[in-house]
Amino acid sequence: EDKVVQSPLSLVVHEGDTVTLNCSYEVTNFRSLLWYKQEKKAPTFLFMLTSSGIEKKSGRLSSILDKKELFSILNITATQTGDSAVYLCAVFYTGTASKLTFGTGTRLQVTL
Amino acid sequence: DAGVIQSPRHEVTEMGQEVTLRCKPISGHDYLFWYRQTMMRGLELLIYFNNNVPIDDSGMPEDRFSAKMPNASFSTLKIQPSEPRDSAVYFCASRTGLAGSEQYFGPGTRLTVT
Repeated sequence: EDKVVQSPLSLVVHEGDTVTLNCSYEVTNFRSLLWYKQEKKAPTFLFMLTSSGIEKKSGRLSSILDKKELFSILNITATQTGDSAVYLCAVFYTGTASKLTFGTGTRLQVTL
Repeated sequence: DAGVIQSPRHEVTEMGQEVTLRCKPISGHDYLFWYRQTMMRGLELLIYFNNNVPIDDSGMPEDRFSAKMPNASFSTLKIQPSEPRDSAVYFCASRTGLAGSEQYFGPGTRLTVT
C-alpha cells in the first residue's frame, strides 16, 4: 500500500532553534514530493522536489530529497513563533491514476 | 485571480440532513480535488476530476457521498444523509495539467453534523 509517513508527529522548540522534519514514502511511480505549511486555514505550498540531492531554499527554510532512501527533510533555521504550524509532506505519483497523497503532518510549536 | 473559492465556509447541520459543499477552481486549472481533513486521519483525498470527468473516487467513504463537476468552473460535494462522523474540514484544490504541479487549496468548509 502506498504511504507517506512524517516524523515527529509534534515538536516544541524555542525561538532561534533549528528543526528538521522528516518525510519518508513508499509509492510506485514516484514523480515529486511537495511540502506544505498549514496554519489555521488551508495548506500553503512551500517546495516541490523532483530530483535527489538538490536543495531547495526559501529564506530560513530548505528541503532536500533522497530518492534512493525514499525520504525528504525540511529544515527550518532560526525558528520564529510565526513558524508554528502543521507541516505536511505530500507525494505525487502515477499509477492507475495520478495522486497526491499526504502524510499526517508534523505539528511544530515555537515558543518564546 | 481570487484563488480557489469554497462555500459555505462553515456549515452546521443535524444528522440526516443533506449537505452540499461548493467549489470554484482557479480558472484554467484542469484538475480539481476534494479532500477531507480530521485530527484522526489527517488530509484524505476523496475524489478528483480531470477536465470535469471523475478520475478516481476510491477515497469516497461510502454511497452517502457524491461529487459532480458539471463544468470547468464549478464542483459540488454532497453528503446525504449526513452523520456526526462526517464532521471535518473539507478542502477543494485545483492545479494545472502539468505533471507534479502545485495544488492550490481553497479556504475549506468546516462541517459540523450534530
